Amino acid sequence: QQKVQQSPESLSVPEGGMASLNCTSSDRNFQYFWWYRQHSGEGPKALMSIFSDGDKKEGRFTAHLNKASLHVSLHIRDSQPSDSALYFCAASERGNMGYKLTFGTGTSLLVDP
Amino acid sequence: GALVYQYPRRTICKSGTSMRMECQAVGFQATSVAWYRQSPQKTFELIALSTVNSAIKYEQNFTQEKFPISHPNLSFSSMTVLNAYLEDRGLYLCGARDWQNYAEQFFGPGTRLTVL
Repeated sequence: QQKVQQSPESLSVPEGGMASLNCTSSDRNFQYFWWYRQHSGEGPKALMSIFSDGDKKEGRFTAHLNKASLHVSLHIRDSQPSDSALYFCAASERGNMGYKLTFGTGTSLLVDP
Repeated sequence: GALVYQYPRRTICKSGTSMRMECQAVGFQATSVAWYRQSPQKTFELIALSTVNSAIKYEQNFTQEKFPISHPNLSFSSMTVLNAYLEDRGLYLCGARDWQNYAEQFFGPGTRLTVL
């Protein structure tokens, strides 16, 4: 069973809209979280990291972490067609930050122009 | 900037043969390199983690005998898929990290392996 589950599996939003992606872990050893984006034919690229409870904003992207519930979310405002890609939540254990990532199941985002 | 290159981008091999893939880090020191396989269904499996001056650690279901890895310096790593079969097909990704300067892993574009 996957230790990091994402929802929804796929998501379609209109250009300019808000996309909300969710990630839940079943392993309390995971303390550090990243959001990666993968465009077709490319490797994943880190969008942002979040290690503390609360919100973290970088441009149009806002991540939220609730360690008690092991829930991480990513919100993309003013979505652009170029945001269409696979989005992965990735988690790492304490003391192992960034070395070994456990990836989630992925969300496919389509932004309709 | 930090970039990771992987060679080849695509490869086809006959069932039972082997193929080698390479990973090159540019612009940073790859003090740790993780090799992953992304399935056709897009899920990731960690194969092994290689850290400079430490032994290479393989995940369950992956062995050195099947996926030997070399990490001879801070910019290069290679992995071979020995005796490849259909279940080995997928996109092999190299994720490299510079402990001192970056928290994230930088990924290459992957090597797509097709087994006939």
